Amino acid sequence: QKEVEQNSGPLSVPEGAIASLNCTYSDRVSQSFFWYRQYSGKSPELIMSIYSNGDKEDGRFTAQLNKASQYVSLLIRDSQPSDSATYLCAVTGTYKYIFGTGTRLKVLA
Amino acid sequence: GAVVSQHPSRVICKSGTSVKIECRSLDFQATTMFWYRQFPKQSLMLMATSNEGSKATYEQGVEKDKFLINHASLTLSTLTVTSAHPEDSSFYICSARDPGQGGNTEAFFGQGTRLTVV
Repeated sequence: QKEVEQNSGPLSVPEGAIASLNCTYSDRVSQSFFWYRQYSGKSPELIMSIYSNGDKEDGRFTAQLNKASQYVSLLIRDSQPSDSATYLCAVTGTYKYIFGTGTRLKVLA
Repeated sequence: GAVVSQHPSRVICKSGTSVKIECRSLDFQATTMFWYRQFPKQSLMLMATSNEGSKATYEQGVEKDKFLINHASLTLSTLTVTSAHPEDSSFYICSARDPGQGGNTEAFFGQGTRLTVV
């Protein structure tokens, strides 16, 4: 089992819709969770961080964490074509920073 | 947020030569930096963890004699790809976390280095 799992996609949503990206992790002692966006040929950029169970909202983005289910998600409201990218989930364990394989999102104009 | 600078952004080298990539933390001291490699349409793969003043910790399957990591100061880590071959062509990215902000904060990434071995 991979330490951090994501559906590779592509996930296609129409412009203006809600995009839902999911991530599961295997290490129960994981404490911090991050969502990064990566455009092709560029380095990842941080979108959201979440540390406790529940929802965390920042603009059009909402991160959701459920430690009991070892599940973290990212919702993007009012999706825009510029949101088309690969979204990486990252989890901190003992000290390592582990990335999922990423989900490719396509927002269709 | 913190800034991590990576240089060069692109490099083309001949097969058999060595290439050095630098990663600097500009406004914080990074006792640990991470080196990743990313092939086209694939995820980031952690290669090694660079520890200031000590040997790097390599992930399984990464040749430490081929990918030399030096973390000589709190703001600089270097990755040297020795005797590069075309299959080493990839996107190499470094990252660092600011230890002054606690142990579980986000990582900041360098701009990445596109290595092409011809």
